[in-house]
Amino acid sequence: DIQMTQSPSSLPASVGDTVTITCQASQDIKNYLNWYQKKPGKAPRLLVYDASNLETGVSSKFSGSGSGTDFTLTITSLQPEDFATYYCQQYDNLPITFGQGTRLEIK
Amino acid sequence: EVQLVETGGGLVQPGGSLGLSCAVSGFKVSNNYVAWVRQAPGKGLEWVSLIYSGGNTVYAESVKGRFTTSRHTSRNEVYLQMDSLRTDDTAVYFCARARVGARLQASQLDYWGQGTVVTVSS
Repeated sequence: DIQMTQSPSSLPASVGDTVTITCQASQDIKNYLNWYQKKPGKAPRLLVYDASNLETGVSSKFSGSGSGTDFTLTITSLQPEDFATYYCQQYDNLPITFGQGTRLEIK
Repeated sequence: EVQLVETGGGLVQPGGSLGLSCAVSGFKVSNNYVAWVRQAPGKGLEWVSLIYSGGNTVYAESVKGRFTTSRHTSRNEVYLQMDSLRTDDTAVYFCARARVGARLQASQLDYWGQGTVVTVSS
């Protein structure tokens, strides 16, 4: 199975900050990498697909980059509604695997 | 408008069975891939199973042989039959539509239900 490792696991930040979350795959997954936002009691929301493509309707404050094994999600100008847990997910091979999540919390 | 609604969650004893349903509107399950994903309390997201548009299914190793995914195309519903349940199957279970990638693999999970809670406990 392809292991996805996110860092950090927890990220304290303030409103207005810009933050970057990283995701590393245990093997080359090309650009087969997606990012999701998850809030308690809500369904996950697709933010970025194929490493760098913004999902329709998602704010341009979110951006993704990377290929191969190393990927990043950057969120600019943090607002209160952005504080959530973020997951990367690979689909190069089955089983589909997710990172362990990065909890973005208010400092 | 696309909508997925999971039902069937509840409390079940270890070793018991439970069936979940995912009622879909806005797309046809016969033409799409649908996945089940779960989140255990305090844990991350875990892919559980996938049913392809042709009806074939694949499963995570952790549930293989115990869980069965099926569908009813005329009702436009997908099901997750869970047998031999264990305490570590306790989770919120989501169904989600999976887009089809360039190699016909499941790629992005773009529409999700709100989830249904399954608790396995004596």
